[in-house]
Amino acid sequence: KAGVTQTPRYLIKTRGQQVTLSCSPISGHRSVSWYQQTPGQGLQFLFEYFSETQRNKGNFPGRFSGRQFSNSRSEMNVSTLELGDSALYLCASSLWDSGGEAFFGQGTRLTVV
Amino acid sequence: QKEVEQNSGPLSVPEGAIASLNCTYSDRVSQSFFWYRQYSGKSPELIMSIYSNGDKEDGRFTAQLNKASQYVSLLIRDSQPSDSATYLCAVTRDSNYQLIWGAGTKLIIKP
Repeated sequence: KAGVTQTPRYLIKTRGQQVTLSCSPISGHRSVSWYQQTPGQGLQFLFEYFSETQRNKGNFPGRFSGRQFSNSRSEMNVSTLELGDSALYLCASSLWDSGGEAFFGQGTRLTVV
Repeated sequence: QKEVEQNSGPLSVPEGAIASLNCTYSDRVSQSFFWYRQYSGKSPELIMSIYSNGDKEDGRFTAQLNKASQYVSLLIRDSQPSDSATYLCAVTRDSNYQLIWGAGTKLIIKP
């Protein structure tokens, strides 16, 4: 059974640009959550999608957005990139619709220069 | 008060000893509890899930849950250098089913 797949693995962008990250969940999983992790910081929750609807949202500015497609694949977009957006972005998928066990992808490491 | 609290460490344990990691949570009605291991530069990996009071054992790992005290712990027996990692505690918020994460405890196993 394939795990959670995130693409791309590494990305370098210039300040002011925008970026789109992709996440394909484990087959059958309907919940996809996105997290930002910076060195020395814990997991910062961005948002969660379940059945194409944003169910929960963290405390991030509106520059961070996401969506989920009918096949449960999800994308997150960051517009007008800032240097502080450099981080590891992690996607996790869950089978339950009630916050069950979450399985993470390998992450996308974004560097903003 | 943070919803999920962990001692940031580092917690240093000799090889072969028992490592004890602790986590407290504030939402009294939380139902699901998880321990994840994260190696430096890697993504978190699920180690244990526990849903009812008591102990749950899986190999060298034992999760302990005490809902009355709002406390969940992870014991690692016969600690190995490969157990050196950051351990994250996660709890499901009952109101909206969102996973709430602790900041993690860095564990160092000394050979």
